Amino acid sequence: NAGVTQTPKFQVLKTGQSMTLQCAQDMNHEYMSWYRQDPGMGLRLIHYSVGAGITDQGEVPNGYNVSRSTTEDFPLRLLSAAPSQTSVYFCASTQGAGGGYTFGSGTRLTVV
Amino acid sequence: GNSVTQMEGPVTLSEEAFLTINCTYTATGYPSLFWYVQYPGEGLQLLLKATKADDKGSNKGFEATYRKETTSFHLEKGSVQVSDSAVYFCALPMNSGGYQKVTFGTGTKLQVIP
Repeated sequence: NAGVTQTPKFQVLKTGQSMTLQCAQDMNHEYMSWYRQDPGMGLRLIHYSVGAGITDQGEVPNGYNVSRSTTEDFPLRLLSAAPSQTSVYFCASTQGAGGGYTFGSGTRLTVV
Repeated sequence: GNSVTQMEGPVTLSEEAFLTINCTYTATGYPSLFWYVQYPGEGLQLLLKATKADDKGSNKGFEATYRKETTSFHLEKGSVQVSDSAVYFCALPMNSGGYQKVTFGTGTKLQVIP
C-alpha cells in the first residue's frame, strides 16, 4: 500500500548511544517532516524538508540531525541519546497546497 | 503566532451519544483547518478539512464547520460508535517560506463505551 513507512516500530537505547530512525514514502511528496509526540504536548516539529537536499529546523531540533538525499527517504538521526528523547516519533509527508499530511505508524523510542 | 486550542479530555460517551469536541484557533489570514484522528498504536490520519470560511468538512459521519466570526472549527458526530474511540487533533496549516507548517492541538481522547 502507498504511504509512509517507518522503521523500527520499537527501540530501546542506552543513554549516549546513537541511532537512525528510517522513514520512506512512495507518493512522490516533496514535503516531509519529523514530529515527536509526548503526553499532554501534542505533536512538536523536529525537522522538516521541502525537497531533496533541503532541510530545516522545527521547534525542537536539538539532539537530532536529518538529511534528504532522495525524494523518498528522510532519516532522523539521534546523535547521543538522552532520557528526554524518550517519545513516539512520527514521520509525515505531504504534497503541499493544503492537502494534509500522511503519517507513518510511528517509532516508540525509550532511552534508559 | 498561530495557535490551536482544543478542549481537554478525556471525553467518555455512551454508544449513540452526540459528540462535540471544541477547537478554536488564532491565525493571521484565513488558513485551512484540519481534524486528524489517531487510533491506538497508529499514526495520525486526516479525518476532514475545510479550506475557507463557512466551509463544512465531513467524513465517516463527522462534521466540522469553519466559523471565521468565532475562529472555531468544532468537531461533531450525531451518534458515536465504540470504533470511534481514538484521539482527535485539530490542526492549523500555514505556508511559511514555501513549507506547510502545521500547528497541532494537544489532542482530545474520546472513549465510547457500549
